[in-house]
Amino acid sequence: AQSVTQLGSHVSVSEGALVLLRCNYSSSVPPYLFWYVQYPNQGLQLLLKYTTGATLVKGINGFEAEFKKSETSFHLTKPSAHMSDAAEYFCAVSHQGAQKLVFGQGTRLTINP
Amino acid sequence: DTAVSQTPKYLVTQMGNDKSIKCEQNLGHDTMYWYKQDSKKFLKIMFSYNNKELIINETVPNRFSPKSPDKAHLNLHINSLELGDSAVYFCASSQDLSFFNEQFFGPGTRLTVL
Repeated sequence: AQSVTQLGSHVSVSEGALVLLRCNYSSSVPPYLFWYVQYPNQGLQLLLKYTTGATLVKGINGFEAEFKKSETSFHLTKPSAHMSDAAEYFCAVSHQGAQKLVFGQGTRLTINP
Repeated sequence: DTAVSQTPKYLVTQMGNDKSIKCEQNLGHDTMYWYKQDSKKFLKIMFSYNNKELIINETVPNRFSPKSPDKAHLNLHINSLELGDSAVYFCASSQDLSFFNEQFFGPGTRLTVL
């Protein structure tokens, strides 16, 4: 069975600082990996995804993530945080032939002025 | 135009009542889902439908009955509501069952059972 662990339920950074949200996955087959963002009182929207090919994936709003198979990780980064980045971030995993997307428990990102 | 819409946005009701949540997508997608997000923000799939056919029923109590009249709609009916049903329910859709496709989420329905 696949699973996702997001390290840190709450991350707080200063505006302009580096954002790093950690995600580790467990999968016995090549994974598909996703980061979704949930702004307050809204549904989730896709930030970026990794399926195959280049392991460094760029997404919307300046975010990127790197698939590291040896570390079973897919950490999300952004060089410079903006106040509008404050939201809940979810890492998720699936695979070819999967019947569902498995989400991590989420990380709440707070941006300090 | 909203891609995935849900009604109502808020639902407050008494224990034991029956309620429905409606979901519509105008993206032309084949696959639709219901997710439950609990108070700790944990998101778990409940059901998935592909072209009106049930694909996943993730050990959800029989009190929950999804209905898909056509592939653009997936409604959720809940009988005999319990306190533990209080949560935010999200509808989502994707192009098909390929799980490398993006899922598009509705705005959510916050259900409060008193």
